[in-house]
Amino acid sequence: AQSVTQLGSHVSVSEGALVLLRCNYSSSVPPYLFWYVQYPNQGLQLLLKYTTGATLVKGINGFEAEFKKSETSFHLTKPSAHMSDAAEYFCAVSDRAAGNKLTFGGGTRVLVKP
Amino acid sequence: NAGVTQTPKFQVLKTGQSMTLQCAQDMNHNSMYWYRQDPGMGLRLIYYSASEGTTDKGEVPNGYNVSRLNKREFSLRLESAAPSQTSVYFCASSLEGAVAGELFFGEGSRLTVL
Repeated sequence: AQSVTQLGSHVSVSEGALVLLRCNYSSSVPPYLFWYVQYPNQGLQLLLKYTTGATLVKGINGFEAEFKKSETSFHLTKPSAHMSDAAEYFCAVSDRAAGNKLTFGGGTRVLVKP
Repeated sequence: NAGVTQTPKFQVLKTGQSMTLQCAQDMNHNSMYWYRQDPGMGLRLIYYSASEGTTDKGEVPNGYNVSRLNKREFSLRLESAAPSQTSVYFCASSLEGAVAGELFFGEGSRLTVL
């Protein structure tokens, strides 16, 4: 069965500093990987996804993530945090063996300090 | 653009009462999903419908029923609410299924069971 682990339920960064959110997955077949963001009192929206091809994936709002098969990781980064990045971030995995289902990690809440 | 619309946004129930959460999407998507979100647990899939006329159980289906009324609408019913069902419920839809497609989420329905 597929699973996702996000290290750290809360992360605090200073405005302008690097944002690094960690995600590790397990999957029996090559995975499709996603990062979603949830702003307060809203639903989730897609930041970026990896399906096949280039392992460094760029998303919206300056975020990017790198798929590392050897480490079973898909960490999310942004070089310079902005106040508007304060939100909760969810890593998710889906694979062909799981049919039309995504499995989400527990989420990481990001606080940006001025 | 409406996207995915959920009603109601807030509901308080007493143990044993029943209710239905409504969801409609206007993007002509084939697949629809119901998730629940609890602190530290991410989103967990309750039921999904890969296409009109089909429904399947997700990770946590006990205590819930669903109906895919037509291509646009997918409702979630709690027949006899329990305090353990206190949660935020999200409806989502996708054009081609979750494996490679983007999920679009509603804004959520916050349910409290006393």
